[in-house]
Parts: sequence; C-alpha cells; structure tokens
Amino acid sequence: DTAVSQTPKYLVTQMGNDKSIKCEQNLGHDTMYWYKQDSKKFLKIMFSYNNKELIINETVPNRFSPKSPDKAHLNLHINSLELGDSAVYFCASSQGGGRASRETQYFGPGTRLLVL
Amino acid sequence: GDSVTQMEGPVTLSEEAFLTINCTYTATGYPSLFWYVQYPGEGLQLLLKATKADDKGSNKGFEATYRKETTSFHLEKGSVQVSDSAVYFCALSKTGTASKLTFGTGTRLQVTL
Repeated sequence: DTAVSQTPKYLVTQMGNDKSIKCEQNLGHDTMYWYKQDSKKFLKIMFSYNNKELIINETVPNRFSPKSPDKAHLNLHINSLELGDSAVYFCASSQGGGRASRETQYFGPGTRLLVL
Repeated sequence: GDSVTQMEGPVTLSEEAFLTINCTYTATGYPSLFWYVQYPGEGLQLLLKATKADDKGSNKGFEATYRKETTSFHLEKGSVQVSDSAVYFCALSKTGTASKLTFGTGTRLQVTL
C-alpha cells in the first residue's frame, strides 16, 4: 500500500545514455513533483504537474523532460546523461491544485542515479 | 527570492539530551513552514508543519513554533532517542500560481547511547 512509489530505486548508467524514472501515487492527489537532491543533500524543485498540466518548470536543462500520462503518474526522462546528473531524484505528490501553501507533500523513496 | 537557512551539522547528542535545530527563512507574504525528516536510505517524511504565525506544529515529541517577528521555525525535542538519528530539513511553501517547497540545506542529527 505504498503511497508514492518510484522505479527504479537505483540506476547506474554511462554518460550519454537516455534513461527514465517512473513515479506513481495511489493517494488520489492532483499534483505531482520532481525534486533533485545533490551530493550535499540539497533539495531543489525541478517540475510540478497538476492534473497532467505542467505548472512548475524550474531552470532545468532541456535534457530533462517530465511526462504525466495521467494524474497518478509522473515520469522523468533524461537524455544524454552527464556526470553532473548524478543525484537522488525524489517524486512527491500533494492533494489539491498545488497552489495552496499549506498542502503537505508526500515523498517517494527516491531514485539514486549514478552516471559514470 | 525565498530562502531557508538551517544550522550547519552534524549535530551529535547523547540519548535523552535536549535538541534544538535552528531554522530561519526569508520570504515575502505568509509562507507555510515545514520540517521534514529523512532517515538513512529513505525518502522524506513530513515531521510537522505550521501554516500561520504563532502556530505550533508538533509530532513524535518534536515541536516548532512559527515566529513571524524573528522569521524562525526552530525545531526542538526534549529528549532525543537513537532512533531520531536522521537528516532534518526545514522548508517553506507559499500560496501562488504554483506551490513548491523551498528547502534548507538539511541538518544531520546523530544520537549516541
């Protein structure tokens, strides 16, 4: 009965490859997010979708492309992987339109990406 | 822009010691404030939150009070346990066209017997 799940949990790949990370939530939430946590544990928002509509797109290279086939899923595709993409990527979800500050975000377990 | 500043870690305490992790923020308007905890190898879990000035969030013996006059949201616990060892993140969120969490850098807490 995992609330927010991500696959894979670990991803090791070569520079230049293309990879995808999948996220699913079974909480019935309307809004989903991708965050990146770097090697120093710093967390930063990348994208947010509300009912399949992109509502946040921070300064992220075009190589990163989120896709939301339905409101329960938000996948992250990364083209031409670079060494600097190595990080932990967290998916999260929240109820409502993603516009109210008091909404709690529920996080997945993270995907640890290592680019060699 | 909005930002959150947390005390540098790691913080090392003996079991049953008193814990304070400082957090201050810079933001326009009236943000909501959160503490999230990340146990080793896991994702983030909400620990507590406060949505307006003078609100106190509490959970599992942890407390934090939203102080608008000092723009602070310090985390406290009266008696820590070894199981509290984790990284603690202070964060804020604002109402707007899109809500996002702005995190501090995290503070690692290590509790020893």
